[in-house]
Amino acid sequence: GAGVSQSPSNKVTEKGKDVELRCDPISGHTALYWYRQSLGQGLEFLIYFQGNSAPDKSGLPSDRFSAERTGGSVSTLTIQRTQQEDSAVYLCASSPSPGNEQFFGPGTRLTVL
Amino acid sequence: GEDVEQSLFLSVREGDSSVINCTYTDSSSTYLYWYKQEPGAGLQLLTYIFSNMDMKQDQRLTVLLNKKDKHLSLRIADTQTGDSAIYFCAETYAGGTSYGKLTFGQGTILTVHP
Repeated sequence: GAGVSQSPSNKVTEKGKDVELRCDPISGHTALYWYRQSLGQGLEFLIYFQGNSAPDKSGLPSDRFSAERTGGSVSTLTIQRTQQEDSAVYLCASSPSPGNEQFFGPGTRLTVL
Repeated sequence: GEDVEQSLFLSVREGDSSVINCTYTDSSSTYLYWYKQEPGAGLQLLTYIFSNMDMKQDQRLTVLLNKKDKHLSLRIADTQTGDSAIYFCAETYAGGTSYGKLTFGQGTILTVHP
């Protein structure tokens, strides 16, 4: 079956612009996670969605970052007024339920010029 | 707080065994994982171990857990050039509001020479 997909695979933007990154989890997976992978910080947790519960936003680095998950499926991570330090690979993962194996997407490579 | 640390580089010859080490600080960790990342690819789960286990073997992979020292290792037997990748250790706590959230180490770059 289809795995986790993310789009776009690459995004180049200018400093100050807003970007939206999309994640399509595996159908039926209730848990969805966003992580960021950068040279300086390694792999960091950003945000976690589980069913209809309020998301855990504790990993979001600033209020320029937000995410939503519509209908318990597709998720969008939005970065407003991008900065060069936002350049990273943004990874999405989904899981059948919390604590089970997380299946990762290929990531979106964001470059802020 | 949570912290997971790994050595950054490991170089081995094809056919030898590789041992990648990881230390963690969160004593409430429930699951400990090893992920593999190949160039340009996402993360692939290799294996995991429950915190109440000491060892787990899965074909060429052996995971050892020393809970007292909070030390985790991944041994790859008969290492092949296709095993060249970045290996991440990760831990999670099965409880609270961030159930399943992974905390990763920095990753170990494994290079296998023919």
